[in-house]
Amino acid sequence: SQQGEEDPQALSIQEGENATMNCSYKTSINNLQWYRQNSGRGLVHLILIRSNEREKHSGRLRVTLDTSKKSSSLLITASRAADTASYFCATANSGNTPLVFGKGTRLSVIA
Amino acid sequence: GAVVSQHPSWVICKSGTSVKIECRSLDFQATTMFWYRQFPKQSLMLMATSNEGSKATYEQGVEKDKFLINHASLTLSTLTVTSAHPEDSSFYICSGTGQGYEQYFGPGTRLTVT
Repeated sequence: SQQGEEDPQALSIQEGENATMNCSYKTSINNLQWYRQNSGRGLVHLILIRSNEREKHSGRLRVTLDTSKKSSSLLITASRAADTASYFCATANSGNTPLVFGKGTRLSVIA
Repeated sequence: GAVVSQHPSWVICKSGTSVKIECRSLDFQATTMFWYRQFPKQSLMLMATSNEGSKATYEQGVEKDKFLINHASLTLSTLTVTSAHPEDSSFYICSGTGQGYEQYFGPGTRLTVT
């Protein structure tokens, strides 16, 4: 079963703009992860945020986590055409449990 | 990060035949491996959890006799799709966990059943 719901389902922006994607989940988590997937390709791990963390940065990525609202957001700043992909959030209850993926957001960055 | 490989990367087979997909952790020991399936424009859905040396645990709705999983060593898990049918056409992705919370994903195998 799927845990998360991403919003929006699809997002189209101009190069240079910021892209924000949101993810909500239902149960308690140990950590939440964001992945990118180019069409027909495998997953690329972007960032992991633990349940006791509120914000994390990695390059042009900024992730927030609000466990009281069971939600997370992924911000990509100064987007590039190469950022065009599907983005998924995934949650884990503990270290050795399977990830439960959200439905994903399809991001299109137009040059 | 750690590397997981899958073989083959794509395969086309005829209806009724069986296909084996290999998932290898190249530079770490994966005590647990997970198999996911992804249909076009959809998210990943967990099929089964595989622990080295024991039987796999299948998710509800996944036929264990159709999707045979073998995790014979700490670096290799295999998924065999038996008597494949066109509805089994999908993107199959494995992942492995070592120490810590990160899962390392393979590049996926695209299966097309004609």
